[in-house]
Amino acid sequence: QSALTQPPSVSGSPGQSVTISCTGTSSDVGSYNRVSWYQQPPGTAPKLMIYEVSNRPSGVPDRFSGSKSGNTASLTISGLQAEDEADYYCSSYTSSSTYVFGTGTKVTVL
Amino acid sequence: QVQLVESGGGLVKPGGSLRLSCAGSGSTFSDYYMSWIRQAPGKGLEWVSYISSSSSYTNYAGSVKGRFTISRDNAKNSLYLQMNSLRDEDTAVYYCARGGGSSSSHFDYWGQGTLVTVSS
Repeated sequence: QSALTQPPSVSGSPGQSVTISCTGTSSDVGSYNRVSWYQQPPGTAPKLMIYEVSNRPSGVPDRFSGSKSGNTASLTISGLQAEDEADYYCSSYTSSSTYVFGTGTKVTVL
Repeated sequence: QVQLVESGGGLVKPGGSLRLSCAGSGSTFSDYYMSWIRQAPGKGLEWVSYISSSSSYTNYAGSVKGRFTISRDNAKNSLYLQMNSLRDEDTAVYYCARGGGSSSSHFDYWGQGTLVTVSS
């Protein structure tokens, strides 16, 4: 199972919006609405930000939103803040009943 | 508040074995699938394995199948990962996380991780 493809890095100024893409195949992202997103600041454990494509857990700001079209899922951070600087990973359930993560994207706040 | 605490990491030689543990608290541990996820130094996340709430179903990533065994003891609120025939490429921080399986879609709570280093 190959990792889902994410851009290595995205950046934006405070207040701007950034979007991270997550491209898989018809065996994972394209077949299931079981796409989730995780935020990982340096030296810490990942934190769930979005589940089932577009749902936010309690406590996650509504600046974070998710969507999916075909084999590609996306995470958008609106109103970028300094505290959003971190690595972000997508994940999907697969047709082999396993899970696959994305390659990771570093978000930099300019 | 759900807490997961891993232990058991350390330095091991190639071909050696190690057993990781994860202690859970703050929720009904036995109600949930549990997973192990790892992260090699400077690299991305890799799902390793999950186990069903009653231990009746397990699944593994191809990279560890046949070498690693996941298990749990619900009476002790504990999750385990027995790692045999370790290779250099198994060097990583190993996280336990709540979730996984065909009925879940995400990992909602994570431990702080335990570092496994495979080196001669």
